[in-house]
Amino acid sequence: DIVMTQSPATLSVSPGERATLSCRASQSISSNLAWYQQKPGQAPRLLIYGASTRATGIPDRISGSGSGTEFTLTISSLQSQDSAVYYCQQYGDWQSLTFGGGTKVEIK
Amino acid sequence: QVQLQESGPGLVKPSETLSLTCTVSGDSSSRFYWTWIRQTAGKGLEWIGRISGSGSTDYNPSLKSRVTMSRDTSKNQFSLRLTSLTAADTAIYYCATIGAPGRWYFDSWGQGTHVTVSP
Repeated sequence: DIVMTQSPATLSVSPGERATLSCRASQSISSNLAWYQQKPGQAPRLLIYGASTRATGIPDRISGSGSGTEFTLTISSLQSQDSAVYYCQQYGDWQSLTFGGGTKVEIK
Repeated sequence: QVQLQESGPGLVKPSETLSLTCTVSGDSSSRFYWTWIRQTAGKGLEWIGRISGSGSTDYNPSLKSRVTMSRDTSKNQFSLRLTSLTAADTAIYYCATIGAPGRWYFDSWGQGTHVTVSP
């Protein structure tokens, strides 16, 4: 299996500041990476696919970048509703899809 | 848009079999694959497997020996069967969709159903 490692585990950011989340794959997955946001009591919601393409309805202050093994999710101006856990998911190995362990974003 | 709703027992005994159903409403014809994912406190999010509109299946290699998926197109439902349950199978189980070939990410999710494995 391709192992996805996210860092940091928890990120505390002030409103209006930038949040930068990292995701690393144990082997190259090209741009076959998605990001999800999960709030308490809710299912995950797709934010980004293809490493950098925003899903429908996702604001442009949320962006993704990277390829190969290193990926980043950036929230350019953090708002209170961005408080959530964020997960990356690889689909480079389409026969064994795997997720990262998540980064919890807290608002200071 | 497609809406998904999981249903099934909230409590199952060890060694027994779990059966869950996902009911689909909305524009289901636009979805390519139907999938199950679970979330545990210990292992986080884990993909279980998927079934296509034509009925072909792929399963997570770590669960393959215990998993069966099926679908009933007349009822707009697809199902998960997981055998030989242990406490490690306690989780929130989600059904979700994959929108297109090669796009193996999950673009619509059900709200999830909590399953506890306990005597």
